[in-house]
Amino acid sequence: QSALTQPASVSGSPGQSITVSCTGTSSDIGGYNYVSWYQQHPGKVPKLIIYDVNDRPSGVSNRFSGSKSGNTASLTISGLQAEDEADYYCSSYRSSGTRVFGGGTKVTVL
Amino acid sequence: EVHLVESGGGLVQPGGSLRLSCAASGFTFSTYWVNWVRQAPGKGLEWVANINQDGSEKSYVDSVKGRFTISRDNPKNSLYLQMNSLRAEDTAVYYCARGWKIFDPWGQGTLVTVSS
Repeated sequence: QSALTQPASVSGSPGQSITVSCTGTSSDIGGYNYVSWYQQHPGKVPKLIIYDVNDRPSGVSNRFSGSKSGNTASLTISGLQAEDEADYYCSSYRSSGTRVFGGGTKVTVL
Repeated sequence: EVHLVESGGGLVQPGGSLRLSCAASGFTFSTYWVNWVRQAPGKGLEWVANINQDGSEKSYVDSVKGRFTISRDNPKNSLYLQMNSLRAEDTAVYYCARGWKIFDPWGQGTLVTVSS
């Protein structure tokens, strides 16, 4: 049960847009529109920011958006702000009935 | 307000057992899937197990199959994780999280340390 693949780190300057990728297989990301993304600040509990590939829970900034192409999902943060500096994790439903996370991406605001 | 509160973590020797609990409030517990997710110190999130509304469906990550058992008590609004044959690599903060295809919300977590 291997994890989804995310880059270890992504960085950008304030105001820029960055994209975090999340690569899986046809048994998870490619087979279902059940991709979600979580933001975790140091020492804090993870927070849901995107679900069903590109939907945002109420209260989450519209600067966060999601997409999917084939076996790869992406999280885009536009208008990067200092408060966006955190770890980001993707997750997907898997055909076996299990769930899987990506390894996590540290987003740094330069 | 929806609330999940974990308890039961602590220090245990390799090969030992521990039972985690998660108390739910602020929503109708019996109508939701719930999960255990763990995070080793300085590492990423790992989904551990989940259970459906009436406890008839359970799934586990391969690394805990045969050692961990997830269960729930709907009248008590509680989720449990019985952990047996614990290993050093099970050391982590264990979170409970509500949901079938998403994890929302999360509890604050309980730390399990497996060490001699």
